[in-house]
Amino acid sequence: DTGVSQNPRHKITKRGQNVTFRCDPISEHNRLYWYRQTLGQGPEFLTYFQNEAQLEKSRLLSDRFSAERPKGSFSTLEIQRTEQGDSAMYLCASSPRVGSYNEQFFGPGTRLTVL
Amino acid sequence: SQQGEEDPQALSIQEGENATMNCSYKTSINNLQWYRQNSGRGLVHLILIRSNEREKHSGRLRVTLDTSKKSSSLLITASRAADTASYFCATDQAGTALIFGKGTTLSVSS
Repeated sequence: DTGVSQNPRHKITKRGQNVTFRCDPISEHNRLYWYRQTLGQGPEFLTYFQNEAQLEKSRLLSDRFSAERPKGSFSTLEIQRTEQGDSAMYLCASSPRVGSYNEQFFGPGTRLTVL
Repeated sequence: SQQGEEDPQALSIQEGENATMNCSYKTSINNLQWYRQNSGRGLVHLILIRSNEREKHSGRLRVTLDTSKKSSSLLITASRAADTASYFCATDQAGTALIFGKGTTLSVSS
């Protein structure tokens, strides 16, 4: 399978714990994005990388959130001291960004439940 | 914040009928994209229309874009039960983050 993969698919944690999610983009894509989606809403942008550089962060990305893409390939999203409001689906997408196109290919998501 | 607003929020039709959903947005864009999401899963890209295009087709999908009204429509012809999903429009303003609407939930019954 050459699509975007995310692990784990589901994560249940207790409030205050740290969690880390992983995203493996399509191999030739140099752009990688993280989004968060809550029930009944569309995805909301969190951050994006071009290769290993984190170029943009949303105001939604509080200090408890950190994302990395160390070698310009896979990316991790860590949430420290989780809160119940962090419960959501975390989506990763990648894009080759050719010209004016920015078609993004999404992974299946990681569903986080904070108890 | 979410730029796009889809209308209607929910749509129920019979197999074989056409489904039309609309999207309005607020600021200038590079392009507008439509995505489909099956229950609890990731999004699948359906079609992209650039700001200088007015209409685009892909299989049973037809998308229009009116930049003067800041609106787009997605038409699915001859709907099938497998088209049951949530549909989102997403605008690309600067070639980076996509800004999604809240989506239209389409239910196609056989």
